[in-house]
Amino acid sequence: GENVEQHPSTLSVQEGDSAVIKCTYSDSASNYFPWYKQELGKGPQLIIDIRSNVGEKKDQRIAVTLNKTAKHFSLHITETQPEDSAVYFCAASLQAAGNKLTFGGGTRVLVKP
Amino acid sequence: DADVTQTPRNRITKTGKRIMLECSQTKGHDRMYWYRQDPGLGLQLIYYSFDVKDINKGEISDGYSVSRQAQAKFSLSLESAIPNQTALYFCATSNNIMAGELFFGEGSRLTVL
Repeated sequence: GENVEQHPSTLSVQEGDSAVIKCTYSDSASNYFPWYKQELGKGPQLIIDIRSNVGEKKDQRIAVTLNKTAKHFSLHITETQPEDSAVYFCAASLQAAGNKLTFGGGTRVLVKP
Repeated sequence: DADVTQTPRNRITKTGKRIMLECSQTKGHDRMYWYRQDPGLGLQLIYYSFDVKDINKGEISDGYSVSRQAQAKFSLSLESAIPNQTALYFCATSNNIMAGELFFGEGSRLTVL
C-alpha cells in the first residue's frame, strides 16, 4: 500500500518568512495530492490540492509543487502570518479510488510575530 | 451549525466498555469516512461507506465496527475498548466519486483507561 512521509514534524518561522513542508510517497500510481490544515480544536480543512497532470499550483500565498519522477511534493507558504500557525497534513491517493487518502504524519507550524 | 457533527466531543471510558461515536451530516453527501488521529501518525482510515448499503474496511479496522443508519448518519463502535484506542477520531464526508475534498467534523476525543 501507499506510504507517505512528511518532514519536518515541527517548523518555527518568523512572521513574513516562508515555510516549506516536504512529503514523499511510495506508490507511483498515486495521482492526487491534497494538503489539509488543522487548527487547534478543529477538523482538518483542505487548503490546496494538485493532480498528477500538473507540476505546480498556486493559490494566493500558498503553492504546491509535484515531482512525479522523484515521488515527492511540497507545500510552500510565503509571507507567513500568525494565522498560518496550525498543523499541516499532506496526503496521497489514486483518483479512481475516491478519497481513500494516505496521510503524512503532519507538520506543526508556528509563526512567531 | 456545523455541516458535519460528531458526538460526543469528549469521552472517557474504561477498558472493556462498549463505546459508540456518532456522526451526522447536513451536506447531502453520499460518502462518509471514519479516521483516527494519533500524534505523529497523521490520520488513518478506519472504515468508509460510499452509500447506505456500502461498508468498507480501511487500513486499521480491527477492533472497530460501523453502521450507516441513513445517508446522513454514520456511527463508529468500539465493542470492547482498550487503552491503545485512545485517540482523536474524525468523521468526514465527500461527494466525489473521484478523489476530491473531504469535509471533516470537529473530532471526538476518546480516552480509554
